[in-house]
Amino acid sequence: DGGITQSPKYLFRKEGQNVTLSCEQNLNHDAMYWYRQDPGQGLRLIYYSQIVNDFQKGDIAEGYSVSREKKESFPLTVTSAQKNPTAFYLCASSPPYPGTGGYTFGSGTRLTVV
Amino acid sequence: RKEVEQDPGPFNVPEGATVAFNCTYSNSASQSFFWYRQDCRKEPKLLMSVYSSGNEDGRFTAQLNRASQYISLLIRDSKLSDSATYLCVVNRGTNAGKSTFGDGTTLTVKP
Repeated sequence: DGGITQSPKYLFRKEGQNVTLSCEQNLNHDAMYWYRQDPGQGLRLIYYSQIVNDFQKGDIAEGYSVSREKKESFPLTVTSAQKNPTAFYLCASSPPYPGTGGYTFGSGTRLTVV
Repeated sequence: RKEVEQDPGPFNVPEGATVAFNCTYSNSASQSFFWYRQDCRKEPKLLMSVYSSGNEDGRFTAQLNRASQYISLLIRDSKLSDSATYLCVVNRGTNAGKSTFGDGTTLTVKP
């Protein structure tokens, strides 16, 4: 079955450490996204990519970095510059125009700073 | 003012009740609209699109009011399994990166 796989499910980061969240999709979707969700809040866009080797900053890109070397993969690195990284991170994919059909989400990664 | 606003609730209703949620948006150029369902500590899942003419899927009805800039979701004959957070999504365009998510409305259906 097609879908999006995020790993790990839970991740603990020490102060000053960089960590990378994995996101893989086999839906043959062109566009991929990273969202952050804090308790009681909606999703906020970190980065998105519409095609391989191209990506754009979302609303809260500071302290994060991404790459899109393959259509299927869109890893997110949370750098030490992100001062408040504890949150629920969701990866999503969509056809080229999500305004027509919506998003498919992975099951998420819960990141905690220890 | 937020671009997309939802009543956070919580809405606590008995089984069988009818409940409605609204979602207001500020950008009059918004083009497409969706409702997502998110269970506790899970990912959001697409519930239904919202069309200008209104659309229905079983017990769920979604409507769009462009003049007043809001969308609504009506759930009839509520089930215990409807308990979740409902997120509205407003797209400013059809391209990627143009979506804004509401903070969600929490529904609890009780026996």
